[in-house]
Amino acid sequence: GAGVSQTPSNKVTEKGKYVELRCDPISGHTALYWYRQSLGQGPEFLIYFQGTGAADDSGLPNDRFFAVRPEGSVSTLKIQRTERGDSAVYLCASSLQAVSTDTQYFGPGTRLTVL
Amino acid sequence: AQRVTQPEKLLSVFKGAPVELKCNYSYSGSPELFWYVQYSRQRLQLLLRHISRESIKGFTADLNKGETSFHLKKPFAQEEDSAMYYCALSGPGTYKYIFGTGTRLKVLA
Repeated sequence: GAGVSQTPSNKVTEKGKYVELRCDPISGHTALYWYRQSLGQGPEFLIYFQGTGAADDSGLPNDRFFAVRPEGSVSTLKIQRTERGDSAVYLCASSLQAVSTDTQYFGPGTRLTVL
Repeated sequence: AQRVTQPEKLLSVFKGAPVELKCNYSYSGSPELFWYVQYSRQRLQLLLRHISRESIKGFTADLNKGETSFHLKKPFAQEEDSAMYYCALSGPGTYKYIFGTGTRLKVLA
């Protein structure tokens, strides 16, 4: 079946602009995660959804970052007033449940470049 | 502090040689450990987890709680093993992964 998909694959924007990154998880997966991967680093946890609610947003760096999952499936990561330091690959993952025994399946990522 | 350390950014070995990718962790408690792999132009995918005690594509990893290590090993490297490897941990039964910075493995012909 189809894996996790993310759109767009690449996004170039100017400092100060607003961007939205979309994630479409594997059908039936209730848990959805966002990670950020900066150059030369491993993925860094941002936020986790169980169903429609953000169960843990402790990884969001500041209040410019926000994510939603209104119907418990597709999620959108929103970044306001983008800064050059936001440039990174944003990864989405999903799993059946939010336990470590359930494999997290990753999407291909969205490469965000802030000029 | 919870941390995963992968000391090598790049590891080059010849085909047929043994491979060991190092991973050390810092965690107060009993974490669950994973290895993820990313082949060229592919997405990040799970290679193996310590609780399964399995061998995948000839790779094994043993959790050493005394040395807080979870090194990934393969006795005979193959060219198709060339990829980026990430070690990760999570708290027992939880979902939040902490990843290391990754090691790029290059297997030379």
